[in-house]
Amino acid sequence: GQQLNQSPQSMFIQEGEDVSMNCTSSSIFNTWLWYKQDPGEGPVLLIALYKAGELTSNGRLTAQFGITRKDSFLNISASIPSDVGIYFCAGPLGEGRRALTFGSGTRLQVQP
Amino acid sequence: EAGVAQSPRYKIIEKRQSVAFWCNPISGHATLYWYQQILGQGPKLLIQFQNNGVVDDSQLPKDRFSAERLKGVDSTLKIQPAKLEDSAVYLCASSLAGTAEAFFGQGTRLTVV
Repeated sequence: GQQLNQSPQSMFIQEGEDVSMNCTSSSIFNTWLWYKQDPGEGPVLLIALYKAGELTSNGRLTAQFGITRKDSFLNISASIPSDVGIYFCAGPLGEGRRALTFGSGTRLQVQP
Repeated sequence: EAGVAQSPRYKIIEKRQSVAFWCNPISGHATLYWYQQILGQGPKLLIQFQNNGVVDDSQLPKDRFSAERLKGVDSTLKIQPAKLEDSAVYLCASSLAGTAEAFFGQGTRLTVV
């Protein structure tokens, strides 16, 4: 199946700072999804991207579908304490498949 | 709209015992997935159903894991016999047919001792 590499592995920032994280694949994707997972909960879908170059926002979150179709970026502006959690990128397991493969996650901690 | 429901939330069993997890997807979602999430990793697909048929079970350890979705709604995932390495969170997710946007339940945390 497809392998996704997320970076950074973890981040520790001050409240109010902007955050950027990315995800890369060795294969071309036609869909990128970003999820957030809080402790003891399931992943929650934040943003879905379907077209190369697409830039989509959800409140303070903005995600981009890379032009090469092998990467995606997630930015969080003006971070707040409730942004704490693990952020996962995800994409289809293979061509024509809807099931997802996930990156290993970026753990975000926000200092109030 | 109600989300994906899973039970139980937590389960502790001894190795070689059996265990079952239950999932009720979002109403109207034809596709249902079971994922396994080991601590510190992203979720990994175990099995995908479309209505009551299996679409993808290539990553399901079939010697000990089984799953069914008999009426195309609820699903159960069973492990028999459990091994220590099965300790993980088991996540159920559902999606509308033809879309990749999956919505997850809270998961069942399994500890095998």
